[in-house]
Amino acid sequence: AQRVTQPEKLLSVFKGAPVELKCNYSYSGSPELFWYVQYSRQRLQLLLRHISRESIKGFTADLNKGETSFHLKKPFAQEEDSAMYYCALRGVQGAQKLVFGQGTRLTINP
Amino acid sequence: DTGVSQDPRHKITKRGQNVTFRCDPISEHNRLYWYRQTLGQGPEFLTYFQNEAQLEKSRLLSDRFSAERPKGSFSTLEIQRTEQGDSAMYLCAGRQGEKLFFGSGTQLSVL
Repeated sequence: AQRVTQPEKLLSVFKGAPVELKCNYSYSGSPELFWYVQYSRQRLQLLLRHISRESIKGFTADLNKGETSFHLKKPFAQEEDSAMYYCALRGVQGAQKLVFGQGTRLTINP
Repeated sequence: DTGVSQDPRHKITKRGQNVTFRCDPISEHNRLYWYRQTLGQGPEFLTYFQNEAQLEKSRLLSDRFSAERPKGSFSTLEIQRTEQGDSAMYLCAGRQGEKLFFGSGTQLSVL
């Protein structure tokens, strides 16, 4: 079974502090992992995916197969990072379904 | 603008009534998805279309739910004999490459 766990429903940090949003997954094969973000009054949108190994808005995420984790990190948080963040997994190669975690609401305090 | 529009934005209905939602992706989105999201949860997969073919359905999709995409463009999701447990945000997404582009959703409230 495919499962994504985001252990923190709420996370609050001060502006300029480092941020880490945790994501753990359960899947026996080789997964594709994604982070989606929803800013206030906006649609859910893709932030980044592990395959592209890119940094978007200063965020990075590394897939750790040994720990089955895909934590999202940013060294210096900005107020505009406040949003709902969802980790998602696509399992079997070519499969279409994305399985989402419960989400973490990130609040950046000034 | 992602180009995925959903109608209506909000729907209030009484238990037992039928409701239908519509999703309009852009022409490049040959793959279309329906998700359901309840308060405090992430989106849950319901069903998926490639062009007009419905290729995958979740076990969440009971026989009261039916989805269509008749010409491979817009899609509809119908819920028959609604129950209070159907209250949720229903999200539609079009896929372009590896990205899903979500609509704003239809918020359903069943009284």
